[in-house]
Amino acid sequence: DTEVTQTPKHLVMGMTNKKSLKCEQHMGHRAMYWYKQKAKKPPELMFVYSYEKLSINESVPSRFSPECPNSSLLNLHLHALQPEDSALYLCASSPNPRGGGETQYFGPGTRLLVL
Amino acid sequence: AQSVTQLGSHVSVSEGALVLLRCNYSSSVPPYLFWYVQYPNQGLQLLLKYTSAATLVKGINGFEAEFKKSETSFHLTKPSAHMSDAAEYFCAVIKNSGTYKYIFGTGTRLKVLA
Repeated sequence: DTEVTQTPKHLVMGMTNKKSLKCEQHMGHRAMYWYKQKAKKPPELMFVYSYEKLSINESVPSRFSPECPNSSLLNLHLHALQPEDSALYLCASSPNPRGGGETQYFGPGTRLLVL
Repeated sequence: AQSVTQLGSHVSVSEGALVLLRCNYSSSVPPYLFWYVQYPNQGLQLLLKYTSAATLVKGINGFEAEFKKSETSFHLTKPSAHMSDAAEYFCAVIKNSGTYKYIFGTGTRLKVLA
């Protein structure tokens, strides 16, 4: 199983809502990532979890709150978002956080629209 | 600092023609380099990667790339384009910040003309 799954596929939320994005992998990977991708742009790294601990936060606003409850699951909690946060949110995983040539496996993404 | 530059944000080729997508890297150490493809409304899929073994790397869907240290390049090629190759292609290099992370190029959108 080389699949990373993400739910939901689409999400529309108001600026006062609280919602969560979910990412799951069962490949035994110990690094998990959240990316934000705007249209016609490359993915921008938001967070990296290494062995279930947050190892990189790319100065992301606090209205985005990541959580890694176990080695297979990664959540991104959203609160008080702005319209400019509308984007495709991608989750990825890789086997070894300290492996330099590791492939990252990406999920299909959640398309988020903030109204 | 590690970075990649993709020349040409849009490339159009005729079906059956050679595909050439350019990627140049900047790295103070031997790099790990990747090519990913993204189809509309989907995630990224690995095409191939260079990890200092063979300089000519073969990937999926008939793509290959050659690592040229003298030119600091890792261009992606395919001998004969197919309509299904139309997608966004990203080159990426690894940066070590304690934890390894990707630095992506700006992407090249490939259009295949019938």
